[in-house]
Amino acid sequence: GAGVSQSPRYKVAKRGQDVALRCDPISGHVSLFWYQQALGQGPEFLTYFQNEAQLDKSGLPSDRFFAERPEGSVSTLKIQRTQQEDSAVYLCASSLGLAVSDTQYFGPGTRLTVL
Amino acid sequence: GQQVMQIPQYQHVQEGEDFTTYCNSSTTLSNIQWYKQRPGGHPVFLIQLVKSGEVKKQKRLTFQFGEAKKNSSLHITATQTTDVGTYFCAGVSSNDYKLSFGAGTTVTVRA
Repeated sequence: GAGVSQSPRYKVAKRGQDVALRCDPISGHVSLFWYQQALGQGPEFLTYFQNEAQLDKSGLPSDRFFAERPEGSVSTLKIQRTQQEDSAVYLCASSLGLAVSDTQYFGPGTRLTVL
Repeated sequence: GQQVMQIPQYQHVQEGEDFTTYCNSSTTLSNIQWYKQRPGGHPVFLIQLVKSGEVKKQKRLTFQFGEAKKNSSLHITATQTTDVGTYFCAGVSSNDYKLSFGAGTTVTVRA
């Protein structure tokens, strides 16, 4: 079946603009994670959903970052008033079950460049 | 908070040689996972280790979890050009549930 998909794949924003990044997890996957990957670094945890419930948002860098998964499937990560330091690849991952030890399947990521 | 460190950051290998990359955590882990990210790609799950001292093999790749569950290693034998990419370890702390990724070891292969 289809893997995790993300759109857009690339996004260029002017500083101060709002952006919305979409994640379509694997169908039936309960858990959904967002990560931020800076150049040359490993993915950094942003937030975690279990179905529609956002159980952990401790990794969100500031209150400009907001994520939702209203129907427990598609998720959107929104960044308001983008800053240059927000430039990174944003990865979405989903897993079948509830345990963080479940295999996480990553999407291709959205590369955000803020000018 | 939990920190996961990987060394070396870069590994330049002659095709056919062996190499090892190491992962160390500041806290005891309940499990550790390894991922591979090809240039321009996304992380792909390789394996998960759960038990103290566990060793798992995937063809030319050997993964090991330390006795104290604070470190892990990935050993690749007879390196091939298909092994090019960045290898990440990611640990789950015993008192947490989130994956913490290391910075990765980027492998290049000289033919």
